[in-house]
Parts: sequence; C-alpha cells; structure tokens
Amino acid sequence: NAGVMQNPRHLVRRRGQEARLRCSPMKGHSHVYWYRQLPEEGLKFMVYLQKENIIDESGMPKERFSAEFPKEGPSILRIQQVVRGDSAAYFCASSGLGNQPQHFGDGTRLSIL
Amino acid sequence: DQQVKQNSPSLSVQEGRISILNCDYTNSMFDYFLWYKKYPAEGPTFLISISSIKDKNEDGRFTVFLNKSAKHLSLHIVPSQPGDSAVYFCAAILNNAGNMLTFGGGTRLMVKP
Repeated sequence: NAGVMQNPRHLVRRRGQEARLRCSPMKGHSHVYWYRQLPEEGLKFMVYLQKENIIDESGMPKERFSAEFPKEGPSILRIQQVVRGDSAAYFCASSGLGNQPQHFGDGTRLSIL
Repeated sequence: DQQVKQNSPSLSVQEGRISILNCDYTNSMFDYFLWYKKYPAEGPTFLISISSIKDKNEDGRFTVFLNKSAKHLSLHIVPSQPGDSAVYFCAAILNNAGNMLTFGGGTRLMVKP
C-alpha cells in the first residue's frame, strides 16, 4: 500500500498523559499536513511540514502540541498533558510539489478518558 | 469565522438522478478549490479540483462549477449511485499561502436505490 499511513488507528489516553501520532507520507511526497476533525465538524488545518522544517503552524494550539518531520522516519504529532477536549480524529495528508492534491491517511481517533 | 461553508448538512437523492452539492466561500484570495469524499472511519479521498481561472472542470460523472463573482462552487454527480453515499467536503487553498486546505463542514449525501 503506497498510500499515507497513520498509526495507531485508535489511541486511548487518560487525562494528563502524552499522545504520539505517527504519519508516513506517500512515497515521493515531501510535504506533510496535519488536520483535526472534531465530531460533526469539518477538518481544521493544524500544521504544514517539510523534511526537518515547520512551514506553517498557524493552526496549532500554542501549548501542549508539537509536530516534527525528521530527515528519517515518519512525521510525529505530539500532544502533551492531554485533556478531554483533545478527543478528535487527527488526519495526516501528504502531497508532492506545487498544487498537487493532498492525499489523506485514514486518521487516528484519539479518545481521552 | 468560517471562510468555507456548506450550508446543507445532508442531501438525499434517488439513484440515477443528479446530486448537486453546494459550497460558498468568503475569501476572494482563494484560488484553488477541491472536493473530497469521505466514508466513515476513513480519510478524505480527493475527487476533483478547479483553479480559479476556470469555471468548469469535468471528470467522468463528476463536474465542478465555479462562480467567482458569487464566491460559489458546486459539485454535480450524474448519474448518482448508491456507492456515492458519503460525506462530501469542499476545500479551498489561499493564493501564495502554501497548500493548507480550508474545509467546509461537509454535506452528507445519501443515494437511495
């Protein structure tokens, strides 16, 4: 499967724990995007990364959230000290150069107990 | 402030008929528009896109129309099939602002056999 791979598909955390969400882009894609979807809402942009660089993090909450896309390995979205309001589906997308459409993974559903 | 709006949360259509999904936007700096289809527990799948320099783009059963003066776009599916039943999101990209997608809230399409 050469598509965008996200893991885990489901993640359960207790309040105060850390959540790590991983995303491997499509082969040949160097642009990675993270989006969050709250129940009954559309997807909201969080952060746009290229290898080793954060290009746009205007949609990221200022505290507790961070993202990286290292030279080797998947992109990681990290949420520290999770709260109930972090419960959502987190989608990763990747694209090639220019205006090529973004292709999405199947998401990680994060549930906070 | 929701810059991309899909005012119909749901739409029900008979198989074989035309489905018309609508989307309005407020930011005149959007210059590229996309439609995604989403099944439950899966990520959005790219369907069709249109650049702001065009007013129509067609791909098989799917046609997207763009009316820049009205800041309105629509997706036509004809003939509709039961497998088209899904949530449809329109999304827009800002001119020269990277590739981050601004999504509408989605319209749930149900195609009845």
